[in-house]
Formats: sequence, structure tokens, C-alpha cells
Amino acid sequence: GENVEQHPSTLSVQEGDSAVIKCTYSDSASNYFPWYKQELGKGPQLIIDIRSNVGEKKDQRIAVTLNKTAKHFSLHITETQPEDSAVYFCAASKYGGSQGNLIFGKGTKLSVKP
Amino acid sequence: GAGVSQSPSNKVTEKGKDVELRCDPISGHTALYWYRQSLGQGLEFLIYFQGNSAPDKSGLPSDRFSAERTGGSVSTLTIQRTQQEDSAVYLCASSLEATEAFFGQGTRLTVV
Repeated sequence: GENVEQHPSTLSVQEGDSAVIKCTYSDSASNYFPWYKQELGKGPQLIIDIRSNVGEKKDQRIAVTLNKTAKHFSLHITETQPEDSAVYFCAASKYGGSQGNLIFGKGTKLSVKP
Repeated sequence: GAGVSQSPSNKVTEKGKDVELRCDPISGHTALYWYRQSLGQGLEFLIYFQGNSAPDKSGLPSDRFSAERTGGSVSTLTIQRTQQEDSAVYLCASSLEATEAFFGQGTRLTVV
């Protein structure tokens, strides 16, 4: 089955700096890669996603890149703010038919220091 | 409904008792997922439903765990003979195929 590795497990940056979180996946058939943000006591919320037919996607201060050949994808947050502090999870799945289960990485705890 | 609803939000049970956790997905969502999150840990996949069928049950940790979904809507996760290591937050999510999965707030289960 699919296996998703995520690094680093913790990341501390100064406000205004950039943060990068990296994930690798094992199943070359995976075609959907979402990123979730989880704040304390809440369920994860989608912040950005990318499909395998695209190499990069941006949404304001957040961007995701995908390298299908190397089977890795990354989350980039620019101009970090204290409210970006949370746990971030990457995930991979094979959407279509009966194979849509999302497999998550173990998470990255991001701390943005003011 | 407006979002994924899980009940109860908190459950304390004695070791050895059975518990049922409920998930009401967003209306019309065909896919439903259950995950377990231990304190400070990642999301451990338990089971995935497409409609009423469960094509992937590979994450269920033991035969004490079971889940069902009826009418393509509500799902219940049942844990029999609970153990202390079952203590965790149980998260449910739903989605339309190939779109964003929306998570509920979770059920915090404590086995004492």
C-alpha cells in the first residue's frame, strides 16, 4: 500500500521567513496530493492540493510543487505569520474507482516566532 | 448538513466496554473516511467507504474494530472490549470523489 514520509517533524521560523515541508510517497499510481493544517483541538482543514497533471500550484502565500518522477511534493509558505503556527499534514491518494483512501504523513509542527 | 458532524465529542469509557462513534457526513458526499489520531501523532488510516461498501479496511487495528455505513450516509465505528491503547481522537472525513475531504471535529475517546 501507499506510504507517505514527511519531513521535518518540527520546524521553527522567524516571522516573515519562508517555511518548506517535504513529503515523499511510494505508490507511483497516486494522483492527488492535498495539504492540511490542523490547529489545536480542531480537525484538519485543507489549505491547498495538487493533482498529478500539474507541477506547481500557488494560492497567495502558499505554494505546492510536485515531482512525479522523484515521487515527492513540497509545501512552501512565504512571509510566515504567527497564525501560520499549526501542524501541517501532507497526504496522497489514488482518486478514481474504489481506491480513494487518503494516506497521511506524520505531520510537521510549525512554530512561527514573532 | 453544513459540515461533517461527529458524536459524541468526548467519550470516557471503562476498559472492556464497547463504544460506538457516529459520523454524519456532508450531504451527498459519497466517500467517507475514519482516522485515529493519538496525542501529538499523525492521522492513522482506519477504513474508507465508497457509498455503503468499504473497499479498504486495511487500517483497522484488530478484529475489535468494525465500521458500517448505511444509506450511503451515516457511519458508525464500533470498538468492542475497549483497551487503554484505544484512547485517541477518532476523526471522520467525507468527500465527493476526487475533491477535498472535509473533516469533523473528532471524538476524543478515553478508556480508563
